[in-house]
Amino acid sequence: NAGVTQTPKFRVLKTGQSMTLLCAQDMNHEYMYWYRQDPGMGLRLIHYSVGEGTTAKGEVPDGYNVSRLKKQNFLLGLESAAPSQTSVYFCASRKTGGANNEQFFGPGTRLTVL
Amino acid sequence: AQSVTQLDSQVPVFEEAPVELRCNYSSSVSVYLFWYVQYPNQGLQLLLKYLSGSTLVKSINGFEAEFNKSQTSFHLRKPSVHISDTAEYFCAVTTISSGSARQLTFGSGTQLTVLP
Repeated sequence: NAGVTQTPKFRVLKTGQSMTLLCAQDMNHEYMYWYRQDPGMGLRLIHYSVGEGTTAKGEVPDGYNVSRLKKQNFLLGLESAAPSQTSVYFCASRKTGGANNEQFFGPGTRLTVL
Repeated sequence: AQSVTQLDSQVPVFEEAPVELRCNYSSSVSVYLFWYVQYPNQGLQLLLKYLSGSTLVKSINGFEAEFNKSQTSFHLRKPSVHISDTAEYFCAVTTISSGSARQLTFGSGTQLTVLP
């Protein structure tokens, strides 16, 4: 099992450009999450999905859109990138059930917006 | 809503010395608590968790944490650290009211640096 994978690993954008980050998991998990990690702020939830075809907003959703067309994939889109979106982005997934089901994290995507 | 405070952003410690990383939380309902570890240039990995039962929980690599409801704390400890423990450690909380998705709320992280 590859677990949770993210592409790309690094990306540099200019202000106003768009891009899509791909998260894939091969564990048949129902739930998937996108976080951003900024220095001194820990991880903050952007959007999440409780199943194929469903998405919901997290703590910091502005400027991002997501889609979950297939159970194994969760896409994060930036329509018009801003320097404030410079961050490390992590995807995570977990299976249904109680709180004892941990979230599994991908290796991250480092995004710089100039 | 819940929140997590990690009081120390940086903790340097010499190899084989004990360490404590502090975590306090705020919530109006019952919580589940987690410690995650992030090694350089990697994603987060679950270190240990408290769901219910014994308030002292342990990891396979010698870390332990104790849930203290009266002090709303979940401090992480290790009696003797190794160079390989150098990493960033995140405390996280979720609650029953988070719904089935069990969104996690993270603290700001503590960078543990073990010195030779």
